[in-house]
Amino acid sequence: DIRMTQSPASLSASLGETVNIECLASEDIYSDLAWYQQKPGKSPQLLIYNANSLQNGVPSRFSGSGSGTQYSLKINSLQSEDVATYFCQQYNNYPFTFGSGTKLEIK
Amino acid sequence: EVQLVESGGGLVQPGRSLKLSCAASGFTFSNYYMAWVRQAPKKGLEWVATISTSGSRTYYPDSVKGRFTISRDNAKSSLYLQMNSLKSEDTATYYCARRHGGYRTFDYWGQGVMVTVSS
Repeated sequence: DIRMTQSPASLSASLGETVNIECLASEDIYSDLAWYQQKPGKSPQLLIYNANSLQNGVPSRFSGSGSGTQYSLKINSLQSEDVATYFCQQYNNYPFTFGSGTKLEIK
Repeated sequence: EVQLVESGGGLVQPGRSLKLSCAASGFTFSNYYMAWVRQAPKKGLEWVATISTSGSRTYYPDSVKGRFTISRDNAKSSLYLQMNSLKSEDTATYYCARRHGGYRTFDYWGQGVMVTVSS
């Protein structure tokens, strides 16, 4: 199985700041990488697919990048509504696997 | 508006069975692969099963293979998960999810249904 190592586990940042979340795959996943946002008590929502494609309706302050085994999610101009846990997911190979999540809080 | 509504969760004893359902609306159900994803309390996400548009192909991780069966009824726009030989580690919120077109990500999720396996 492909292991997804996500970092950091938690993050505290100020409003308006830029934050980065990293995901490292145990093997090349050829950009088959998605990012999800899960707000407290809610279902996950797709933010990014294909490593860098923004899902419809997602604010442009979210962006994804990376290739091979290393990927990142960037959130520009942090807003209060961005408080959530963020997960990466590889879908290059079955079984699909997720990162362990990054909990983002406002400082 | 796409809606996915799960039902059928609850408390079940280890070794017993439970069947989850997901009612889909707001899109042409028969055109999409569908999946189940679970999340143990305060834990991360785990993919559980995927089914093709016709139901002829199914995929599972080793953790549930042979115990869980995903199925669908396109006439009823419904997705199912039959869970047998349940274990305590199957305790989780189970989400029904729609596959994102040609990408094997999940673009719509239900609100989730809780399954607790305990004696």
